[in-house]
Amino acid sequence: NAGVMQNPRHLVRRRGQEARLRCSPMKGHSHVYWYRQLPEEGLKFMVYLQKENIIDESGMPKERFSAEFPKEGPSILRIQQVVRGDSAAYFCASSPLNAGEFPDTQYFGPGTRLTVL
Amino acid sequence: AQSVTQLGSHVSVSEGALVLLRCNYSSSVPPYLFWYVQYPNQGLQLLLKYTTGATLVKGINGFEAEFKKSETSFHLTKPSAHMSDAAEYFCAVSPSGSARQLTFGSGTQLTVLP
Repeated sequence: NAGVMQNPRHLVRRRGQEARLRCSPMKGHSHVYWYRQLPEEGLKFMVYLQKENIIDESGMPKERFSAEFPKEGPSILRIQQVVRGDSAAYFCASSPLNAGEFPDTQYFGPGTRLTVL
Repeated sequence: AQSVTQLGSHVSVSEGALVLLRCNYSSSVPPYLFWYVQYPNQGLQLLLKYTTGATLVKGINGFEAEFKKSETSFHLTKPSAHMSDAAEYFCAVSPSGSARQLTFGSGTQLTVLP
């Protein structure tokens, strides 16, 4: 049973370029979360998605960042016109529904480490 | 609103000694509580979780944690540290009963001395 998969594991971009980070949830999981970890800090929530729906984007920066989880394929976190401050590790997590039909435990992928030059 | 405080950003213990990592939370609704471990350049691995029921929760690798509502705490313990326990540990909270985001503490780096 494959875990949460993220690619690429490492991504280098120059200022002004676009970064696209992909996340494939665990089999049977329909909920995806994105978190950002800045150096020496804990993870900060960015966005929560279900298939074709953004449920909670309260942690997303207002500009340049977007996320989607299409009906088919992985979830994508897109950062336009990257700046050096975007350098961080971006983690995706997925969860199933529990017996009460609420999202349950989140399982994390290995992360994508973005470096902006 | 919810928040997590992990006391001690760095903890060192000798191999074989007790491990105690502290976590206090605040939450406006009954919380779900989690401990995750992160090894260098890897993702987070779930150690244990509290949702409902028994307040003493046992996890993987010999770790356990006790939910104490009166103290708003969820401290992580292990009776005897092993060199392989060296990692960063994160406490996290989410509100129970609905779709939710995790709020993480700032992490505790555990060093195990030979």
